Amino acid sequence: EPEVTQTPSHQVTQMGQEVILRCVPISNHLYFYWYRQILGQKVEFLVSFYNNEISEKSEIFDDQFSVERPDGSNFTLKIRSTKLEDSAMYFCASSARGLANYGYTFGSGTRLTVV
Amino acid sequence: DQQVKQNSPSLSVQEGRISILNCDYTNSMFDYFLWYKKYPAEGPTFLISISSIKDKNEDGRFTVFLNKSAKHLSLHIVPSQPGDSAVYFCAASEVDYKLTFGKGTLLTVNP
Repeated sequence: EPEVTQTPSHQVTQMGQEVILRCVPISNHLYFYWYRQILGQKVEFLVSFYNNEISEKSEIFDDQFSVERPDGSNFTLKIRSTKLEDSAMYFCASSARGLANYGYTFGSGTRLTVV
Repeated sequence: DQQVKQNSPSLSVQEGRISILNCDYTNSMFDYFLWYKKYPAEGPTFLISISSIKDKNEDGRFTVFLNKSAKHLSLHIVPSQPGDSAVYFCAASEVDYKLTFGKGTLLTVNP
């Protein structure tokens, strides 16, 4: 069964450093998403991406965050200057149809620890 | 701001019995409701969904019930199996690109 692949599975970074989280969505999917889950809290929407541009973003997704699809297969989330409160599990997802009610396929996540 | 609430952090049931997971919401603009299952070290997996124009949707052992007037939905798993042990997330959508999740309920099915 097709999978969404995320790398690395765990990343530790120092506060203030830039970090790039990588995702390979399912190959025929056109819509891409990032969510995060702070330990013990709910899964929160960060951003959706379609046709090489952001289609929707949450208030969490401030100027410190950016997304990119640098080639035909990767989808990345960059945090420019990490803060302690950015420590969370980051999930990438993709879907063939854009609306969230159709459901997405999530990756296994990258655990980001900011020290 | 908890638009989707799962008030039970955990639930334990015996194998073969029914598991009922509950979810409440506050946003009347939500149009679709979904349930996701999550095992440790994996991402959430889509399980079942229901449109706001329906009150029931069934898929094998899984049935979701929606009570719009009460802003309440529930997921029934019958019969429960040990492999169903996971965190179950309720999520909702306003017919846009994002899902709003609840905090999840840890279901443990005991053999």
